[in-house]
Amino acid sequence: DAGITQSPRHKVTETGTPVTLRCHQTENHRYMYWYRQDPGHGLRLIHYSYGVKDTDKGEVSDGYSVSRSKTEDFLLTLESATSSQTSVYFCAISDPGNPYEQYFGPGTRLTVT
Amino acid sequence: DAKTTQPTSMDCAEGRAANLPCNHSTISGNEYVYWYRQIHSQGPQYIIHGLKNNETNEMASLIITEDRKSSTLILPHATLRDTAVYYCIVRYNTNAGKSTFGDGTTLTVKP
Repeated sequence: DAGITQSPRHKVTETGTPVTLRCHQTENHRYMYWYRQDPGHGLRLIHYSYGVKDTDKGEVSDGYSVSRSKTEDFLLTLESATSSQTSVYFCAISDPGNPYEQYFGPGTRLTVT
Repeated sequence: DAKTTQPTSMDCAEGRAANLPCNHSTISGNEYVYWYRQIHSQGPQYIIHGLKNNETNEMASLIITEDRKSSTLILPHATLRDTAVYYCIVRYNTNAGKSTFGDGTTLTVKP
């Protein structure tokens, strides 16, 4: 398995609180991604990163921000969590030569009450 | 990016080959076909990809029709552990891997 970890794995938080999810990789892959997956649906891209300090928005970026200060870490922040952000969040990595050969982390289950 | 169409669900008997179809009739010449699967509650797993030629690896085979408008993922000897949602996506192999996965095919392997 690719060396990708996500923390926390589970989190329950209240509406209006800030939340930060962490993705850490040991593969030195340049590209990193954050997806969300809601029950019965496929994955939707939130944000992605081409490299350190180089990020861009995906399909469902409203309400989320990201940061990447090191190759190995990609942080996803919900500035003020809402119930609609209850979801499972997956991080993925890939390389420029084959960007769609992505390797995923185990996921973080976030519940906003 | 070309749109893909997959059946919602399929069943397969354990030990038999599982053939999962994907239609991508609007595919462009330089778009690749990728397959992933997601076992319940786990992160998606990359399986295989191809451009024109058929491809095989330790997990599966990918058969792409000559006109490239459809493809089939073949799991040669399905096991119960192959029960999962299988996603087919079609993308240009450039820039970052910006992608949204559709609903996929739920494959159930039965004893």
